[in-house]
Amino acid sequence: SQQGEEDPQALSIQEGENATMNCSYKTSINNLQWYRQNSGRGLVHLILIRSNEREKHSGRLRVTLDTSKKSSSLLITASRAADTASYFCATVITGNQFYFGTGTSLTVIP
Amino acid sequence: SAVISQKPSRDICQRGTSLTIQCQVDSQVTMMFWYRQQPGQSLTLIATANQGSEATYESGFVIDKFPISRPNLTFSTLTVSNMSPEDSSIYLCSVGGQGTGEAFFGQGTRLTVV
Repeated sequence: SQQGEEDPQALSIQEGENATMNCSYKTSINNLQWYRQNSGRGLVHLILIRSNEREKHSGRLRVTLDTSKKSSSLLITASRAADTASYFCATVITGNQFYFGTGTSLTVIP
Repeated sequence: SAVISQKPSRDICQRGTSLTIQCQVDSQVTMMFWYRQQPGQSLTLIATANQGSEATYESGFVIDKFPISRPNLTFSTLTVSNMSPEDSSIYLCSVGGQGTGEAFFGQGTRLTVV
């Protein structure tokens, strides 16, 4: 399976703390993306990092990519209660073929 | 970007029956994707639906169980046939961004089979 593995499976932090979640994958990729899902609803795109990029920022989000280790991390700084959700990485190999990771359930305690 | 309207948002169905899920996109797209998300799990691609051709199914999914229609470039349906409790999942449709690389999702259909 091409599905990525994420860790931790669940993460609980206090509001204001940083949250880090990791994604490992198996094959060479075109890009890697992170998505957020609230309460089993549709997924919302957060950030995309291409295979030739090592780090990317978007607001409170910071994503790193290490293609030699086939891994990525998502850092959410200064977390808020509204960040409570499940986060999925998705690897894109060609075109529109997305392979989603196992997900990290984040709980931010007010 | 793309806005996807998916319905129904949820349903409770009797085993042995079928449910058809609809997805409407606000722009024309070549490919639409259907995913299943079992409780507490990640997304698994069921099939890719191209307009004017048969859908392409992933390993473990068959047309008889999950027939798909794609009558035009903005609409698709997924039917879950002869349902059993094991089909209880969230079903999501998705389209790829035109040149942006990101995917856009419908709000999902939460299906419970009793």
